Amino acid sequence: SQKIEQNSEALNIQEGKTATLTCNYTNYSPAYLQWYRQDPGRGPVFLLLIRENEKEKRKERLKVTFDTTLKQSLFHITASQPADSATYLCALVAGGFKTIFGAGTRLFVKA
Amino acid sequence: GAGVSQSPSNKVTEKGKDVELRCDPISGHTALYWYRQRLGQGLEFLIYFQGNSAPDKSGLPSDRFSAERTGESVSTLTIQRTQQEDSAVYLCASSLPTEYTEAFFGQGTRLTVV
Repeated sequence: SQKIEQNSEALNIQEGKTATLTCNYTNYSPAYLQWYRQDPGRGPVFLLLIRENEKEKRKERLKVTFDTTLKQSLFHITASQPADSATYLCALVAGGFKTIFGAGTRLFVKA
Repeated sequence: GAGVSQSPSNKVTEKGKDVELRCDPISGHTALYWYRQRLGQGLEFLIYFQGNSAPDKSGLPSDRFSAERTGESVSTLTIQRTQQEDSAVYLCASSLPTEYTEAFFGQGTRLTVV
């Protein structure tokens, strides 16, 4: 069956460190993958999109990698700040324009 | 409007009643999605519209759930004979009908069935 898996356990890190979140998928061959941020009580907000022919994408302190052989994407936040604390969701398009989301990983950055 | 708008923001209803949730997408966004998010859980895909047709209804949990869309604008999600397990946040998102584009989400409707 088709699945998107993200670390269900919360990630706790110290301010200034790099946070790394993982997204694994099975039985999909997405043309691209996206990462979103969700704060409590709010809808998800788009962060980055990476295409299947791109190994890595960067935006300010954010970096995303996409390994279509491993069927995995890694999301990195460098020099993390308490304001980065949120839930981070990966998403991929599963045929047509149907976008499927992982369950998300909660990140806590301690000052 | 500037973003995706959903109404109401909160809805408390009695078990067995019907509810209607509304979504106003961003102008020009022909793709529209409904998701359900239970407390502490991820987003569960419900339905996707391209214009006013729904090529994918595979996520609707039961025949009590239905959705429609008028042209390329407003969409309504209707839940008939609500049950307590329907309690969740219902999120709507819209996007351009092109590849490699992100979805823009509304703030959601928090539905509580008592």
